[in-house]
Amino acid sequence: GQQVMQIPQYQHVQEGEDFTTYCNSSTTLSNIQWYKQRPGGHPVFLIQLVKSGEVKKQKRLTFQFGEAKKNSSLHITATQTTDVGTYFCAGYGGSQGNLIFGKGTKLSVKP
Amino acid sequence: NAGVMQNPRHLVRRRGQEARLRCSPVKGHSHVYWYRQLPEEGLKFMVYLQKENIIDESGMPKERFSAEFPKEGPSILRIQQVVRGDSAAYFCASSRSGERSGYTFGSGTRLTVV
Repeated sequence: GQQVMQIPQYQHVQEGEDFTTYCNSSTTLSNIQWYKQRPGGHPVFLIQLVKSGEVKKQKRLTFQFGEAKKNSSLHITATQTTDVGTYFCAGYGGSQGNLIFGKGTKLSVKP
Repeated sequence: NAGVMQNPRHLVRRRGQEARLRCSPVKGHSHVYWYRQLPEEGLKFMVYLQKENIIDESGMPKERFSAEFPKEGPSILRIQQVVRGDSAAYFCASSRSGERSGYTFGSGTRLTVV
């Protein structure tokens, strides 16, 4: 079945440094979604990318969808302590279209 | 404008007991999904339901686990004869439609089997 892989699994940065997490799918995706889960919290929807090569920005966060629609990335510029959490990408899989999540990248930010 | 409501937030069960987890989706959302998360791990899909129908249960263990989303009332994830390995966080999510919208997650139920 479809697999969604994320790297790195963990990332430790100094506050102010940039951060990037990468997501790869074994199959072409119709769209890709990104979620953030704070420690002890629940996943919160950040964004959805649909078009090949699409780039979207939310303040310091930049999301990209690859030309082949098989990979995606999330880049955070000048990280802050509020960025701490696990970032998940997710793509649709299964016969009926449920989201398959990557294992996430856990970001820690040292003040 | 209530989000997805899950209860209980924490549930402790002894081995062999039954666990019932409830999920009320966002008002107007007709699609419900259950995911399981072990500590330091990702979200594993369990089941996808619409009102009175199970659409995809490919991620749910064949035995002891069942889910429903009745015409009236919340969606229920039921685990019979719980074992220690069932200890996890169970998240419910809902969406208005399938592929065109993001999921809204509930706060989860943390199940501990002792």
